[in-house]
Amino acid sequence: GDSVTQMEGPVTLSEEAFLTINCTYTATGYPSLFWYVQYPGEGLQLLLKATKADDKGSNKGFEATYRKETTSFHLEKGSVQVSDSAVYFCALITYGQNFVFGPGTRLSVLP
Amino acid sequence: DTGVSQDPRHKITKRGQNVTFRCDPISEHNRLYWYRQTLGQGPEFLTYFQNEAQLEKSRLLSDRFSAERPKGSFSTLEIQRTEQGDSAMYLCASSLGTSGNTEAFFGQGTRLTVV
Repeated sequence: GDSVTQMEGPVTLSEEAFLTINCTYTATGYPSLFWYVQYPGEGLQLLLKATKADDKGSNKGFEATYRKETTSFHLEKGSVQVSDSAVYFCALITYGQNFVFGPGTRLSVLP
Repeated sequence: DTGVSQDPRHKITKRGQNVTFRCDPISEHNRLYWYRQTLGQGPEFLTYFQNEAQLEKSRLLSDRFSAERPKGSFSTLEIQRTEQGDSAMYLCASSLGTSGNTEAFFGQGTRLTVV
């Protein structure tokens, strides 16, 4: 079945550091890819998405590019803030199926 | 519309009791999903509906779990004879479109504690 693998956390960075969270996937079809974020005590929120190869999703300074050749969708941000501290989930969905989530990567940003 | 709402937000129950959770999706969304999340893990798929039809149910879901979506609007998830292993956050999400490839919007979840 479809699956998502993420780099294990926790990831701890200083404010203004560069962030990369790796995500790779396995899918039988042609999936749409998502990054969701979960802030402490809150529900999951969509951060960004990409629906076809080479699409770049972006939001709040975060970016991720759909790489079909490497089956990857790595999340990046050039300069993280303390307010970015959260758990980040990579997810996919293929036609007619359900969303499949990775295990999540906890990010802590120190001032 | 304020998004996906779930009720209750928290539920504490004794082992062996039945519990029922409710989810109200975004009004025009035809897809509704239920997920379970335990501490430090990603959401785990339970079941989903397209309108009132339950299209898929996880093999991980025992026969103690049942979900309904009458008239394709709100949904309920019932757990019978609860066990301590059922303690988790139960998440509901909804999305729009028959292709199923559009993003899902999540509710705040119902945290279940079985004592």
